[in-house]
Amino acid sequence: DIQMTQSPSSLSASVGDRVTITCRASQPISTYLNWYQRKLGKAPKLLIYAASSLQSGVPPRFSGSGSGTDFTLTISSLQPEDFAAYYCQQSYNTPYTFGQGTKLEIK
Amino acid sequence: QVQLQESGPGLVKPSQTLSLTCSVSGGSISSGSYYWSWIRQPAGRGLEWIGRIYTSGSTDYNPSLKSRVTISVDTSKNQFSLKLTSVTAADTAVYYCAREPHTAMAYFDYWGQGTLVTVSS
Repeated sequence: DIQMTQSPSSLSASVGDRVTITCRASQPISTYLNWYQRKLGKAPKLLIYAASSLQSGVPPRFSGSGSGTDFTLTISSLQPEDFAAYYCQQSYNTPYTFGQGTKLEIK
Repeated sequence: QVQLQESGPGLVKPSQTLSLTCSVSGGSISSGSYYWSWIRQPAGRGLEWIGRIYTSGSTDYNPSLKSRVTISVDTSKNQFSLKLTSVTAADTAVYYCAREPHTAMAYFDYWGQGTLVTVSS
């Protein structure tokens, strides 16, 4: 299985901050990398697919980059509704695997 | 707008079978080219993909669970289901259902809210 290592596991930031979350795959996965946001009691939400494509309806302050083994999710200016958990996921092959998650908290 | 909703018992006894259903609304489960997946997250741990079923009925399971998992679809009810046999406390988790378009770049575009299943006597 492809192991996905996400960092940091938690992050404190303020509204308006620029935030970057990283995800590393245990082997090259081209751009088969997706990012999700999860809030308690709500369905997880797809933010970015294919490493850098913004899902329809997602604000442009979210962006993704990377290929091969190293990827990043950037939120350019944090908004109050962005405080949540974020997960990366590889779709290069099955079994699909996820990062351990990053919990983004208000400072 | 497609919506998915998990349902099933919140408590299952050890060694028994966990059964969950995902109801799909806002679209037909049998139209288009989609995979329908189950994903879970034990408390304090990461998300784990359990397996999926294609519109045609073909399935694909995580090898770590393959011997205990069955995913099926009921097109007449617009639902798909998960059965996990011989459960233990390690199967306690929030279980999600999700849709994956059958495209070159796979991703889960719609998820359910999740349902907590506890394995305990």
